[in-house]
Amino acid sequence: GAVVSQHPSRVICKSGTSVKIECRSLDFQATTMFWYRQFPKKSLMLMATSNEGSKATYEQGVEKDKFLINHASLTLSTLTVTSAHPEDSSFYICSARTHGGTGELFFGEGSRLTVL
Amino acid sequence: GESVGLHLPTLSVQEGDNSIINCAYSNSASDYFIWYKQESGKGPQFIIDIRSNMDKRQGQRVTVLLNKTVKHLSLQIAATQPGDSAVYFCAEIRTSYDKVIFGPGTSLSVIP
Repeated sequence: GAVVSQHPSRVICKSGTSVKIECRSLDFQATTMFWYRQFPKKSLMLMATSNEGSKATYEQGVEKDKFLINHASLTLSTLTVTSAHPEDSSFYICSARTHGGTGELFFGEGSRLTVL
Repeated sequence: GESVGLHLPTLSVQEGDNSIINCAYSNSASDYFIWYKQESGKGPQFIIDIRSNMDKRQGQRVTVLLNKTVKHLSLQIAATQPGDSAVYFCAEIRTSYDKVIFGPGTSLSVIP
């Protein structure tokens, strides 16, 4: 099946720094990518929908200036956590939908962010 | 956000028994549903899907049932194995809106 790669899989940073997480579709073009956040033993919470070449659509309560999303190409979307704080520590997961697909999503393996 | 941030309910089953995991979805406009399996520290894996014009779909050892009247989805796993231990999420999709919303999840634990 289609493969979605996330990088880095784990990152530890100091408070106040910014961290970029990449999401790549390796063998298909993804016009739409989704970013989720997941706390331990909780469900995935949709943060934003990223469409190639346009601004991301953020869910209610998600700060767009805090979580910068860029979908510059059909195979890459990035999430930048700006001025990270310990409460931003979480598991971030991206998913990609195939161009013209039936709605099936392919998920990355997730990126665990720890802010000290 | 739209997803529900509840603590995970758990289900323990004996190896070899059948498992039934339930999910209530929120929007009657959702027309496509997917069950995902998530192992610890990994991203969700697709298990099986069903469209709103169906009420049952079978895969290998898994069956999904959809009851649109009460907005209920279930996943049945036959002859549950230790490798089935994971968290299972249902997801609802409104294809016209192109958005996937996850349910709260159920933690399945298989007792050898």
